[in-house]
Amino acid sequence: DIEMTQSPSTLSASVGDRVTITCRVGQSTSHFLAWYQQKPGKAPKLLISQASTLENGVPSRFSGRGSGTEFTLTITSLQPDDSATYYCQQYINYPFTFGPGTKVDIK
Amino acid sequence: QVQLLQSGGEVKEPGASVKLSCKASGYTFTQEAVHWLRQAPGQRPQWMAWINPGTGGSVVSQKFRGRFAISADISAATVFLDAATLMSEDTAVYYCAKEKGGRYDFWGQGSLVSVSS
Repeated sequence: DIEMTQSPSTLSASVGDRVTITCRVGQSTSHFLAWYQQKPGKAPKLLISQASTLENGVPSRFSGRGSGTEFTLTITSLQPDDSATYYCQQYINYPFTFGPGTKVDIK
Repeated sequence: QVQLLQSGGEVKEPGASVKLSCKASGYTFTQEAVHWLRQAPGQRPQWMAWINPGTGGSVVSQKFRGRFAISADISAATVFLDAATLMSEDTAVYYCAKEKGGRYDFWGQGSLVSVSS
């Protein structure tokens, strides 16, 4: 299985801050990397696919970059509604695997 | 609009079986693969199986092969996950999700399966 790591595991930031989450993959996934947002008691929501393509309806303050084995999710101007856990997922090889998650809290 | 409506939560004793369902609507059921994933408390989602309702092709993750099976009823636009010989480690929220090119663009609301004596 392709191993996934994320850093940091948790972060606390203020409204309006810029935050960046890093996802590292055990082997190259090219650009086959997605980001999800999950709030407590809810299913994950797809934010970004193909490493950098924003899904319809996702606010433009979210952006993704990277290829190969290192990827980032950036939220510019953090909003209260962004409080959630964020997961990356590789889909180049089965079994598709997810990172351990990054919990984002609002100070 | 696309919706995946899952069956309700279940409480089971170790060794029991359970069948979860996922009813799809809002898209052509036979043209998109549907996956099952599960998420144990405080853990990341874990892929379990997928099925292509149009072709009937399916794959169960090696980790879950033997105790879990995936199936679909085209007439009911529903995908099922059968789980046998449940163990406490199977306690999790089980999600169905529609695949779009490897990522999951729509998810069910989740079905909590709790295994405890």
